[in-house]
Amino acid sequence: KAGVTQTPRYLIKTRGQQVTLSCSPISGHRSVSWYQQTPGQGLQFLFEYFSETQRNKGNFPGRFSGRQFSNSRSEMNVSTLELGDSALYLCASSGRTGTMAEQYFGPGTRLTVT
Amino acid sequence: AQKITQTQPGMFVQEKEAVTLDCTYDTSDPSYGLFWYKQPSSGEMIFLIYQGSYDQQNATEGRYSLNFQKARKSANLVISASQLGDSAMYFCAMREAAGNKLTFGGGTRVLVKP
Repeated sequence: KAGVTQTPRYLIKTRGQQVTLSCSPISGHRSVSWYQQTPGQGLQFLFEYFSETQRNKGNFPGRFSGRQFSNSRSEMNVSTLELGDSALYLCASSGRTGTMAEQYFGPGTRLTVT
Repeated sequence: AQKITQTQPGMFVQEKEAVTLDCTYDTSDPSYGLFWYKQPSSGEMIFLIYQGSYDQQNATEGRYSLNFQKARKSANLVISASQLGDSAMYFCAMREAAGNKLTFGGGTRVLVKP
């Protein structure tokens, strides 16, 4: 079974631009969550999508948005990029809900904003 | 609000020895799950082990075991017979009953010495 894939793996953008990151979950998984990892703030939850609906949202500004398609693939968009958005963006998929559901992570997209 | 604390920012361990990574948590939800992930320098988060709040026995997965002390709100990871490939960042995480949102600790960097 293929794992979680994320594209692109690396990205360099300029302040003010926007970016779209993609995540394809493990086949059959309907939940996709996004996390931002920075040296200063650590790993922070962005949002979770389940069956095309945003089910949970972290404490991030409205510049961060996402969506999920009917095939469970998810995209994350960041508009008006700031230097502080430079981070490793990880997505995770889960096939179950509740506390026992493992989340399997993709390799991440490393975004650099200059 | 849930919180995860990992007090050891970094540690060295001799190859073939055991190492214990500390994790304490805080939550008011009686139903929760505790996870440990390994993050090598490549960035991908690798799921290691899970412990549910209602589980009576400590979880074990190969060389990994979780020392769960519910009254003390601690969930320490024990890695037995350390290998050079165990050198990585290790994160403790918690999920409460609703949704798939993980809250992560700050991580512990482990370096295995030959």
